[in-house]
Formats: sequence, structure tokens, C-alpha cells
Amino acid sequence: ELKVEQNPLFLSMQEGKNYTIYCNYSTTSDRLYWYRQDPGKSLESLFVLLSNGAVKQEGRLMASLDTKARLSTLHITAAVHDLSATYFCAVHLNYGGSQGNLIFGKGTKLSVKP
Amino acid sequence: NAGVMQNPRHLVRRRGQEARLRCSPMKGHSHVYWYRQLPEEGLKFMVYLQKENIIDESGMPKERFSAEFPKEGPSILRIQQVVRGDSAAYFCASSPGRELSTDTQYFGPGTRLTVL
Repeated sequence: ELKVEQNPLFLSMQEGKNYTIYCNYSTTSDRLYWYRQDPGKSLESLFVLLSNGAVKQEGRLMASLDTKARLSTLHITAAVHDLSATYFCAVHLNYGGSQGNLIFGKGTKLSVKP
Repeated sequence: NAGVMQNPRHLVRRRGQEARLRCSPMKGHSHVYWYRQLPEEGLKFMVYLQKENIIDESGMPKERFSAEFPKEGPSILRIQQVVRGDSAAYFCASSPGRELSTDTQYFGPGTRLTVL
């Protein structure tokens, strides 16, 4: 059974600081996603990472993937209040030739304080 | 291009009633996924459908839950004889299905089901 573990689950940061969210998964997968969810809202796709060593950046967020370690990181640079949200990593479960489904971590609830 | 649409956004049912949740995928998308999210939890996969076919229902409870994606019209997630434990946010996602290696699932706004 594929398990996806995120840590930390709760993160309180001050504006301007840097931090990293970690996502470990238990079996091989062909792609990993990061999503953002604001309270009471749907999920917004941030990044899709397809290969070992993949790195993607958008604004103050940078995501990377190490398939050998089965680890992805989401790095936050110089946090601002607008980044406050819950961040989920999701691993694609692919088997039997079908697209399969996404297995989500429990999410990291980020709060950026002035 | 409208995003994934779900209705209703909020649904209140009493125990024993039926709940019907609708999902219209993004234009051009032929793959639909349903997920359930309990408070303070991540999303749990329920079912994956293409037009008129259920591809993967491994996350669907064996009883009371069913899903369809007809040739015409939205995908429907149906919950019969709801119980309090069914209270959750139900999200639908869609993808184009053209390029399996990069297919991103785009999520709808969700339906928040409350069972009294």
C-alpha cells in the first residue's frame, strides 16, 4: 500500500523567513504533485514533478523530487502572509496500465505571521 | 474555459436520505475522479471514471455509494441512506487523459455534505 507522509503537519512562520516542507512516499511512482488549499476552497495545482532531480520554481515556492530517496521538498523563500494555506503533496499511483489515482499526504498547514 | 464545476456546493441531509453530487469536468476532459476529504485530513481517492466506464473504484465503500459518468451530462456520485460519518467535503477532479505521463488533475470547488 502506498503511503505518503508529510512533515511538519503544522508550520508557523514569520514573514521573511525560509522553510522546507517534506513529503516522503513508500513506493515507486511516476509523478508527484504539490497542491495548495485555502480554507473552505478547492485545491490549486502548484507543481507536477516527473523525474529524478526535477526542480520547479514559481515565485517564492520551489519544489524538488528525489525518486531514489522517495522524497519531495517544497521550499518557501522569504515567506509572506499570502502564502498561508494548507499544502498537500500527492503521489500518482499507476498500475495495470491505467492512470490510477492520487494518494495524498495529510497536508501541512502553513501560517505566516507578520 | 470554465473550470471543473460541482453542485450543489453545500448539501444537508438527514440520516437515511439520499445525496446526489454532480460534477461537470472541464471542457475537453474525459476523465473524472472523486475524492473525499474529512476535516483536517488529506483527500482520499474514491473512484475514477471515463465516459460510461468505471476505471477504478478501489476507494469506494462497497455499500451505499455509487458513481456514474454517462455519455451525456455530468458525473454523479450517489450516496444512499446517508449516515453521519458520510459528512465530508467531496471533490471532483478532471483531466484530459491525452498524455498519461503529465496529466494533471484539476479540482472542482467541492460539495460539502452535512448529515444531521
